[in-house]
Amino acid sequence: AQTVTQSQPEMSVQEAETVTLSCTYDTSESDYYLFWYKQPPSRQMILVIRQEAYKQQNATENRFSVNFQKAAKSFSLKISDSQLGDAAMYFCAYSNAGGTSYGKLTFGQGTILTVHP
Amino acid sequence: DTEVTQTPKHLVMGMTNKKSLKCEQHMGHRAMYWYKQKAKKPPELMFVYSYEKLSINESVPSRFSPECPNSSLLNLHLHALQPEDSALYLCASSQTFSNTGELFFGEGSRLTVL
Repeated sequence: AQTVTQSQPEMSVQEAETVTLSCTYDTSESDYYLFWYKQPPSRQMILVIRQEAYKQQNATENRFSVNFQKAAKSFSLKISDSQLGDAAMYFCAYSNAGGTSYGKLTFGQGTILTVHP
Repeated sequence: DTEVTQTPKHLVMGMTNKKSLKCEQHMGHRAMYWYKQKAKKPPELMFVYSYEKLSINESVPSRFSPECPNSSLLNLHLHALQPEDSALYLCASSQTFSNTGELFFGEGSRLTVL
């Protein structure tokens, strides 16, 4: 079974600064997908960024980028120029590319990010 | 329209009540999901419907009964719940039951069982 570990229950950052959220995972599969989801307080969860394991290039979406280290099974999220609206719970998630668990997400425990003005 | 709409937003029910949670999407997605989320915890998958057929039931107790009347609607019927069932219930949809696709979540229905 796959597992996803987020070792930072809480993180904080000053507005306009950069913060990195950590995520490690364990799998015996070679083909899979990794995601970061953001859940603001009392608002819906949204996809921040997605990485396909067979792509070596790290995914980026505006101020959000990942550092994907396949051999180390590490998938960290970097938020640049942090904004107050980035405050949320962030979940790292994993999905197999096939097999019986096709389409199921395995979530990490989440990291609460606080942004200070 | 990229919304998943859930009603009601809040629900309080007794252990003997019967109630339903509703979810609607008009994005043409063919996979819909129910998740349960406790405070400050990750969502836990309950059910997945793919093309209106139940594809996954994560060993959820029978007091939770899902229904997918059509491709846009998903219901969760609740009966004889326990206080430990109090949680945020999230509905989500995706284009297909695929690992590559983005899940679109609703804001959730916060359920309190007295």
